[in-house]
Amino acid sequence: SQELEQSPQSLIVQEGKNLTINCTSSKTLYGLYWYKQKYGEGLIFLMMLQKGGEEKSHEKITAKLDEKKQQSSLHITASQPSHAGIYLCGADHTGGFKTIFGAGTRLFVKA
Amino acid sequence: DADVTQTPRNRITKTGKRIMLECSQTKGHDRMYWYRQDPGLGLRLIYYSFDVKDINKGEISDGYSVSRQAQAKFSLSLESAIPNQTALYFCATSDLQFDGYTFGSGTRLTVV
Repeated sequence: SQELEQSPQSLIVQEGKNLTINCTSSKTLYGLYWYKQKYGEGLIFLMMLQKGGEEKSHEKITAKLDEKKQQSSLHITASQPSHAGIYLCGADHTGGFKTIFGAGTRLFVKA
Repeated sequence: DADVTQTPRNRITKTGKRIMLECSQTKGHDRMYWYRQDPGLGLRLIYYSFDVKDINKGEISDGYSVSRQAQAKFSLSLESAIPNQTALYFCATSDLQFDGYTFGSGTRLTVV
C-alpha cells in the first residue's frame, strides 16, 4: 500500500550483524503491527505497538513506534539464519478492525 | 491442528473455471479476512467478515465472492478465474480487541 512504505525492500547481512527495517505511514497510526513470513508460508505475528514512543522486544528483535505515531523501526541484534524471511509491517488507520500492509522487506542472513 | 487451516495449499486451475478456497479456524474469533499477496505489493484485503451475517468488501473485491458459512468457516470463490488472480491467498482471523491477526499457511493459486 502506498499509505505504508517499508525500507529497504531487501537486505543481505552477515550472521552476527545488526540490522534495521523501517516502516513509514502517511497517516497517524492507531496501531502498528510487525509480522514475519518464512518464504512461501504464512505470517507470524511478532509485535503490536500503539502508543507514541512505545518500544517492545521479543528475543533479539526490538520494535519502536515514534512519538508522532507515523513511523516504526524493527531492529534485529546479532542476526542469525533463523531471522531470514520477509518482514511486513501492518497499520491500523481506522481504529481497530482491519490492517493494511507494507510491501515487505526480504531479509537474507549469510552464515 | 493449526489454529487457521486453509485448503487447498496449492491449486492450478484453468482460465474461466470456478474455484473455491476454504478457511476454517479453531480460535473462536468472530472476525475473518481474506488477503492476497503479490510480489512487491504486500498483502491486499479482498473481503472481511465480522460475524456470520456480516460481509464487507475490501480494496480488491472485484472478481471474488465470499461466504461465511459459520463462525469458524469463511470461503473465498473466484467465479471465473483469470491469470492475474494468480497469487498467494491468506485467510486471517482476529478477536474483538484486534491485537493482531492469526494467519493460515496460505493457498498458492495459479491460473493458466
